[in-house]
Amino acid sequence: DAMVIQNPRYQVTQFGKPVTLSCSQTLNHNVMYWYQQKSSQAPKLLFHYYDKDFNNEADTPDNFQSRRPNTSFCFLDIRSPGLGDAAMYLCATSGRVSYEQYFGPGTRLTVT
Amino acid sequence: AQRVTQPEKLLSVFKGAPVELKCNYSYSGSPELFWYVQYSRQRLQLLLRHISRESIKGFTADLNKGETSFHLKKPFAQEEDSAMYYCALSGAGANNLFFGTGTRLTVIP
Repeated sequence: DAMVIQNPRYQVTQFGKPVTLSCSQTLNHNVMYWYQQKSSQAPKLLFHYYDKDFNNEADTPDNFQSRRPNTSFCFLDIRSPGLGDAAMYLCATSGRVSYEQYFGPGTRLTVT
Repeated sequence: AQRVTQPEKLLSVFKGAPVELKCNYSYSGSPELFWYVQYSRQRLQLLLRHISRESIKGFTADLNKGETSFHLKKPFAQEEDSAMYYCALSGAGANNLFFGTGTRLTVIP
């Protein structure tokens, strides 16, 4: 089945230690998104790629970076995780003309 | 600035009773409105969007521009409707989705 895959599902990292979360898709969608969702809060868009064009949300901290080496993969890099970065990170994709976003299962990040 | 408000964090109804999940929005242009749903141990998925004006799993939602609302309704709730529901907004032609904080619906047998 075509889908959005996130690895790992659970990630534990130490305060200040760089961490990378990965997302892959078999939908061949042009657009890939990263959301951060903290407990009892709305998913918050961090950035998205439209093909190779990177679009950063204005309030996304510089600590968060992203890479999209090809259509299928997108990575979220957190350069120096703080305790406040502990959250569920959701990857999503959409087609060029569709507003429907397809979500992955998420990666729950714990910062110790 | 855009904002999506879901005033109820938790909502419980009995099976067979009508259900309405409230959503109000604030947006300066012409928004696209959506309802996303997350069932237990499943991923977030689109339930319906206002442009399609369709009924999905018995749910409907009407965009009321005067009241800036997009409430989700179902006349007879089923146990399998128990889930987390998120209202979301996108600017016309934009890729960004802004989510509300969600309402957890529990349908009591």
